[in-house]
Amino acid sequence: EAGVAQSPRYKIIEKRQSVAFWCNPISGHATLYWYQQILGQGPKLLIQFQNNGVVDDSQLPKDRFSAERLKGVDSTLKIQPAKLEDSAVYLCASSLLTYEQYFGPGTRLTVT
Amino acid sequence: AQKVTQAQTEISVVEKEDVTLDCVYETRDTTYYLFWYKQPPSGELVFLIRRNSFDEQNEISGRYSWNFQKSTSSFNFTITASQVVDSAVYFCALSEAGAGKSTFGDGTTLTVKP
Repeated sequence: EAGVAQSPRYKIIEKRQSVAFWCNPISGHATLYWYQQILGQGPKLLIQFQNNGVVDDSQLPKDRFSAERLKGVDSTLKIQPAKLEDSAVYLCASSLLTYEQYFGPGTRLTVT
Repeated sequence: AQKVTQAQTEISVVEKEDVTLDCVYETRDTTYYLFWYKQPPSGELVFLIRRNSFDEQNEISGRYSWNFQKSTSSFNFTITASQVVDSAVYFCALSEAGAGKSTFGDGTTLTVKP
């Protein structure tokens, strides 16, 4: 069974630029999560989808971050414009309902 | 509001020692799930175990064991006879039942020295 796929793996951008991350969850997993993991901290939930509906986006900085999950499968997370403090690893995970989550390899974002 | 606390930031042991990683949680829900994940130096988080709030039975899997105590809101993880390959960051997480929010602790970095 294929795992969670994410791309790109690494991205370096300058502040005020925009960036987009892509995630393809495990087939059949209805729930998809985007997390931000800053070095030395645990993953912080940005947004959680159930199929193509948003379950929780309370910690998503909506003035600059947006996410969508079209057709309840793939998802993209966008940052526009990026700030220095957005430098982090962005993790995508998927699960059956709220059972164990399966994580992708993450995208390491560096904002200079 | 949910909260997961892993008070031990870093632990260092010598190979073959036993080590326990602590996890304390807070939730208002009566039905919830608890998890442990491992994040090795390669970076990808790996699921280790899930526990339901209504099942306090402890679990053992090889050298790993988990002690869930609802009375103290704790879900501790013990590695017996630690090995160098156990070196990683370990995260405890809490999830509401249904389509609820997931909350992670800040992790415990375990270093096992040969």
